[in-house]
Amino acid sequence: AQTVTQSQPEMSVQEAETVTLSCTYDTSENNYYLFWYKQPPSRQMILVIRQEAYKQQNATENRFSVNFQKAAKSFSLKISDSQLGDTAMYFCAFMKRSGANSKLTFGKGITLSVRP
Amino acid sequence: DVKVTQSSRYLVKRTGEKVFLECVQDMDHENMFWYRQDPGLGLRLIYFSYDVKMKEKGDIPEGYSVSREKKERFSLILESASTNQTSMYLCASNRLAVGETQYFGPGTRLLVL
Repeated sequence: AQTVTQSQPEMSVQEAETVTLSCTYDTSENNYYLFWYKQPPSRQMILVIRQEAYKQQNATENRFSVNFQKAAKSFSLKISDSQLGDTAMYFCAFMKRSGANSKLTFGKGITLSVRP
Repeated sequence: DVKVTQSSRYLVKRTGEKVFLECVQDMDHENMFWYRQDPGLGLRLIYFSYDVKMKEKGDIPEGYSVSREKKERFSLILESASTNQTSMYLCASNRLAVGETQYFGPGTRLLVL
């Protein structure tokens, strides 16, 4: 079974600064996918970024990038130039590559507040 | 754009009532999922379905059942609601392919009194 750990329940960052959200996971799988999802207050959960474990290159999406360390089983999310709209709960999630049922295992989430 | 909708944003029910939560997706996705979200626990999978009339238990299926009579619709049923089922319920869907992103509905916040 897989586990995903987000050890920081809350973080705060000043607008325009950079913040890193940490995530570690445990698995015996060699091929898998990792995701960061964002859930703004009272709004729908949306995908922020997706990483394929068999790719060496870290995924990036505009101001969002990941630091994927496969050997350390670490998958942190870096948000550059933080904006007020980044205030949300962020979830790290794991998906096995085998099979097409694509179940996600989520961490407990971290609440990020961006201060004006 | 993928659209996943849920029948209610907020729901208040009494203990012992039968509760239906409905989810509809418009992207012809094969997979559909029901999660429960509680503070400090993240999202936990209740049930999922990979085809019409097919279902599999997730991590916390006790006290719940599901129905999938049409591809676009996936219902979560609480046969006899209890106060410990007060929670946020999220529906998601994706294509039946390896590594596919799941798309989420807006959630239903259920309060059982």
